[in-house]
Amino acid sequence: NAGVTQTPKFRILKIGQSMTLQCTQDMNHNYMYWYRQDPGMGLKLIYYSVGAGITDKGEVPNGYNVSRSTTEDFPLRLELAAPSQTSVYFCASSPGGAGELFFGEGSRLTVL
Amino acid sequence: EDQVTQSPEALRLQEGESSSLNCSYTVSGLRGLFWYRQDPGKGPEFLFTLYSAGEEKEKERLKATLTKKESFLHITAPKPEDSATYLCAVLENTGFQKLVFGTGTRLLVSP
Repeated sequence: NAGVTQTPKFRILKIGQSMTLQCTQDMNHNYMYWYRQDPGMGLKLIYYSVGAGITDKGEVPNGYNVSRSTTEDFPLRLELAAPSQTSVYFCASSPGGAGELFFGEGSRLTVL
Repeated sequence: EDQVTQSPEALRLQEGESSSLNCSYTVSGLRGLFWYRQDPGKGPEFLFTLYSAGEEKEKERLKATLTKKESFLHITAPKPEDSATYLCAVLENTGFQKLVFGTGTRLLVSP
């Protein structure tokens, strides 16, 4: 049982480049989330989705975009990467949209 | 704005030395308080949910308790494998139930 799978695990981008972080879950969860985690800061919600075709902004959405065409997949798009987007990104899913989340192992992104 | 504060930031224990981690919160209406464990280079792993003051949950050497203003994660006779960062989060009472995370307590248990 794979759970939540994120790719890539590591990536280095140059300023201004774009990329997509992939996230897929095999638990048939309706709710999916993208968080970023920075040293000394709590996890911050970027975007979330309550089901296929439905997405909404979290606390820190600027510079990111998402889509949810299927229940399984929730990719996060970074446009025009900036050094402030250097972080560890976590995708998570939840069956009921409450606080019990299942996290992926994270994607560490560095923007130089 | 809802706030979650965890203390201490870091804690070093000897194997078998029991202690407690603290999570204090300010929230207009608590919908739930959650504890997670995070190992280095991994995503957080869910441990407990607490909903009301007085509630307690246990799992192996860990026990989580909840009051109206704070939660404690008690670690009894810890082992080196309990070393991790422990995160606390509260469920915010908004239109969308959003988790607000604390910054965590890094626990190191030495043999």
